[in-house]
Amino acid sequence: DTEVTQTPKHLVMGMTNKKSLKCEQHMGHRAMYWYKQKAKKPPELMFVYSYEKLSINESVPSRFSPECPNSSLLNLHLHALQPEDSALYLCASSQGSSGASYNEQFFGPGTRLTVL
Amino acid sequence: AQSVTQLDSHVSVSEGTPVLLRCNYSSSYSPSLFWYVQHPNKGLQLLLKYTSAATLVKGINGFEAEFKKSETSFHLTKPSAHMSDAAEYFCVVSDQVKTIFGAGTRLFVKA
Repeated sequence: DTEVTQTPKHLVMGMTNKKSLKCEQHMGHRAMYWYKQKAKKPPELMFVYSYEKLSINESVPSRFSPECPNSSLLNLHLHALQPEDSALYLCASSQGSSGASYNEQFFGPGTRLTVL
Repeated sequence: AQSVTQLDSHVSVSEGTPVLLRCNYSSSYSPSLFWYVQHPNKGLQLLLKYTSAATLVKGINGFEAEFKKSETSFHLTKPSAHMSDAAEYFCVVSDQVKTIFGAGTRLFVKA
């Protein structure tokens, strides 16, 4: 299985809602990533988990809260978002988060988030 | 310092003609270099990668790229464009410290 899956595919939420994005991979990868991508821009790294521990937080606002329940799952909990948080949220995984030969990332299809 | 520059924000070719998407990089370490493709409202798919083996790298869908250390370039090419190649292409540099995405090049393919 060489696939990263993400649910839901689309999400519309109000600024007072709490929702979660889910990501799953069964490739035995030990690093997982959350990216935010605005239209016509490259993905921006938000968080990196390495061996189920948060290793990188790119100064993301606390209204985004990541969670890694196990080595195959990655969640992104959303609370009190702003309209400018509307974007495509991409999950990725790789064999490891350091070392050049391990940095190939496999991406999921993304969740299209709209905040009203 | 690490950086990656995609020299063209848009490239337009006719179907059946060659494709050239340009990428220059800088890195303090020996980097790995990647090209990813993204079709509209989709995730990113790896086209090819360079990890210090052969300098000419062949990828999927007929794409290839050549690592030129002296020019710090990793340009993506394809001999003959197909309509399905129309997409956004990202050049990515990765070393022991960080992974950096280029700004992207939108490829248009005309019939």
